[in-house]
Amino acid sequence: SQKIEQNSEALNIQEGKTATLTCNYTNYSPAYLQWYRQDPGRGPVFLLLIRENEKEKRKERLKVTFDTTLKQSLFHITASQPADSATYLCALPRTGSQGNLIFGKGTKLSVKP
Amino acid sequence: DTEVTQTPKHLVMGMTNKKSLKCEQHMGHRAMYWYKQKAKKPPELMFVYSYEKLSINESVPSRFSPECPNSSLLNLHLHALQPEDSALYLCASSPRDISYNEQFFGPGTRLTVL
Repeated sequence: SQKIEQNSEALNIQEGKTATLTCNYTNYSPAYLQWYRQDPGRGPVFLLLIRENEKEKRKERLKVTFDTTLKQSLFHITASQPADSATYLCALPRTGSQGNLIFGKGTKLSVKP
Repeated sequence: DTEVTQTPKHLVMGMTNKKSLKCEQHMGHRAMYWYKQKAKKPPELMFVYSYEKLSINESVPSRFSPECPNSSLLNLHLHALQPEDSALYLCASSPRDISYNEQFFGPGTRLTVL
């Protein structure tokens, strides 16, 4: 069955540095991958979507890469700020049910001033 | 209006109670979702409505009963819940339930079952 892994449960970095979060998947080839941000007690907020034929996508200080050979996506936040502290979830479409998502467990990012 | 609203924000209920959660969106989205999220876990899909028809039920116990009265409104009726059903219940919507759709989530209802 399809499996999503976000390797780090938590990541602590210093303000101004680049945060890099990893999402790995196995047992299928998704047509796209999404990243969401979730703050405590709130619903996830969509950040970026990257398709299988795109290598990289950017939005302001965010960058996502998608390597279908390695079955991996990297999510980067450059010039990180304490306000970026949150849990970041990757999500992939459910096999045979495009548009319906399976979420990874998330990585909790803490940016220290 | 670009948000999904959910009421109530918090709900405490006994195992014999009947209650309902409500979700509303006015973005013209035609797919709406219910998710359940336990602490430190990712959201888990429960139900999907597409064009007001139930298209996916992820083997959810019958004590959870979804309803989609119209394209803007989604309800989740609760009856005879168990303490392990305590969780954050999230509603989401997307333009259609096909590829490449981002999902817009509401703030959630924090449910506690005593």
